[in-house]
Amino acid sequence: AQSVTQPDIHITVSEGASLELRCNYSYGATPYLFWYVQSPGQGLQLLLKYFSGDTLVQGIKGFEAEFKRSQSSFNLRKPSVHWSDAAEYFCAVADSGSARQLTFGSGTQLTVLP
Amino acid sequence: SQTIHQWPATLVQPVGSPLSLECTVEGTSNPNLYWYRQAAGRGLQLLFYSIGIDQISSEVPQNLSASRPQDRQFILSSKKLLLSDSGFYLCASTPQGRAEKLFFGSGTQLSVL
Repeated sequence: AQSVTQPDIHITVSEGASLELRCNYSYGATPYLFWYVQSPGQGLQLLLKYFSGDTLVQGIKGFEAEFKRSQSSFNLRKPSVHWSDAAEYFCAVADSGSARQLTFGSGTQLTVLP
Repeated sequence: SQTIHQWPATLVQPVGSPLSLECTVEGTSNPNLYWYRQAAGRGLQLLFYSIGIDQISSEVPQNLSASRPQDRQFILSSKKLLLSDSGFYLCASTPQGRAEKLFFGSGTQLSVL
């Protein structure tokens, strides 16, 4: 069965610093990979997705993620964090494009210091 | 584009009381609808999904049930709440079941005391 691990429960960065959130997945074939962001008391918003092709994908709000098959990773990055990026971030994997098959990681809470 | 209305935003209920959470979707027809639960410090767990009116699939055995009386209405219910039912409940919608078009409501924070 597929699974997703986000090893960092909480990350704190200063505004303007770079950010990398880790995500590791377990799945035999090439998975469909997603990153979502959740503001407090809100639903999840899709930041970016990877299905195939270029392993570096660009998303909204200046985020990008890189699929590395050899490391079973799909880490989320941003070169310069803004205070408004403070939120919880979820990585998710599906063995097809079906929403029913989505498996979510436990999330990483991001705090941004002024 | 899709809009999902979920209410109430916050709910405090005593153990043993009934529950009804409602979700309505605008801007799409015949969507696939989903109920997720998010426990503190955990990811999302899929509870129910529906591909059409009165077509409900349960993903995990539990104290909850779901119904879809209309195309764009999805209801989560319980006859008797348990403490373990506390959590953040999210309704989601996507056309044709596609993950990349999954859109979430703003959620209901349920506290069972």
